Amino acid sequence: GAGVSQSPRYKVAKRGQDVALRCDPISGHVSLFWYQQALGQGPEFLTYFQNEAQLDKSGLPSDRFFAERPEGSVSTLKIQRTQQEDSAVYLCASSVGRRLPQQYFGPGTRLTVT
Amino acid sequence: DAKTTQPPSMDCAEGRAANLPCNHSTISGNEYVYWYRQIHSQGPQYIIHGLKNNETNEMASLIITEDRKSSTLILPHATLRDTAVYYCIVKRQGGSEKLVFGKGTKLTVNP
Repeated sequence: GAGVSQSPRYKVAKRGQDVALRCDPISGHVSLFWYQQALGQGPEFLTYFQNEAQLDKSGLPSDRFFAERPEGSVSTLKIQRTQQEDSAVYLCASSVGRRLPQQYFGPGTRLTVT
Repeated sequence: DAKTTQPPSMDCAEGRAANLPCNHSTISGNEYVYWYRQIHSQGPQYIIHGLKNNETNEMASLIITEDRKSSTLILPHATLRDTAVYYCIVKRQGGSEKLVFGKGTKLTVNP
């Protein structure tokens, strides 16, 4: 079956622009995660949803970052007034839930802020 | 969740076994050891996880020491496609579901 998909795969934004990154998780997966990966580093947790509820947003770096999953499936990560330090790969992952906790990752969206 | 320590890089010859070590000396009794890998320009991929018994699946074997302070991921017959960054992660089942990645081990499989 289809894995986790993300769009766009690449995004170039001018500093100050708003961007929206989309994640389509595996059908039926309850849990959805967003991670940020800077060049040469491991992924860092941003936020976590269980169905439509955002249970953990402790990793969001500032109030310019906002995530939603209104119907418990597709999720959008929005970054307002982008800054150069926001340049990174944004990874989405989904999992069945606590019963089978292994996470399945999408290919990521590479955001470059100029 | 407990921290892990991994060597920054390792090399392996194609066809040979790759043994990737991970130290997690502060692991708690209810924490599992997970391994993920990330091939260049792709998202991380789940490999295997275990609590205290050795585990094997179609991708790899996981050997956890009796005191659980360290583990080894074994790729029995490494191929060029196994070149990737391998992450060892310790996570409590039932706790926060987020994964805490370190810097991992960059494994290079050479022809």
